[in-house]
Amino acid sequence: EAGVAQSPRYKIIEKRQSVAFWCNPISGHATLYWYQQILGQGPKLLIQFQNNGVVDDSQLPKDRFSAERLKGVDSTLKIQPAKLEDSAVYLCASSFPRSSYEQYFGPGTRLTVT
Amino acid sequence: SQQGEEDPQALSIQEGENATMNCSYKTSINNLQWYRQNSGRGLVHLILIRSNEREKHSGRLRVTLDTSKKSSSLLITASRAADTASYFCASQGTYKYIFGTGTRLKVLA
Repeated sequence: EAGVAQSPRYKIIEKRQSVAFWCNPISGHATLYWYQQILGQGPKLLIQFQNNGVVDDSQLPKDRFSAERLKGVDSTLKIQPAKLEDSAVYLCASSFPRSSYEQYFGPGTRLTVT
Repeated sequence: SQQGEEDPQALSIQEGENATMNCSYKTSINNLQWYRQNSGRGLVHLILIRSNEREKHSGRLRVTLDTSKKSSSLLITASRAADTASYFCASQGTYKYIFGTGTRLKVLA
C-alpha cells in the first residue's frame, strides 16, 4: 500500500515570498490533515478536511495560509507571504473517516524562511 | 497553548531497561494515541486507547489512561537501541487531534 506522498521535501525561501506544498493521501482516506511542526515541539493541527470540506481550521493563520483539497483527494497548502516564524516541517496525514482511526503521516516538507 | 504536556522532555536509558513517559491533556477526549517519530521514518502510530479503557497492551508497549486526571502513560519494556526516537501523545476530542510536546528517548547499547 502506498503511503502519504508530499512534495517538495525541502524548500528554502526568503521572507515575504510565497510557497506551496502538495499532499497525496492514501487511497480511500477521506480525512486529510495538515500539521505544522516547529523544531522541538509536537505537531500543531492547521487544517482538517473531510473529503473536500473543512472540518477544523481554527489554528490556521488565515491572513497568510490557505489550503484546498481538490475533488476530495490531493491537497495543497500555501503560505503567502512567508515570515521567519513559518520555518518548520509541514506534515500531511490522512485517515479513514471514523473518529478513532489512526493517522498515517507523510515524510513532511521542511521549510526554511530566511 | 493547546498542546498537551509530556514528561520527561528527555530520557536516556540502557538497552534492556524499561522506559516510562507521561502525557497530560486539557479537554475531554474520545481516544488518546501514541506516536513515534524518528528521522528515518517520520511519525508512526503505535497504539490507541479509547476513553472507556484504562489499560492496553501491544507487544512491548503498555498504555494506561486516567480520564479523571486527564493523563496517560506509555511504558516500553525491554528497550532496544531501535526504540531511540521522540514519542508523542495525541488526544482526540470530537474531531481534532492535539499532540503533546514529546519525550525524546535515547536507548544506549
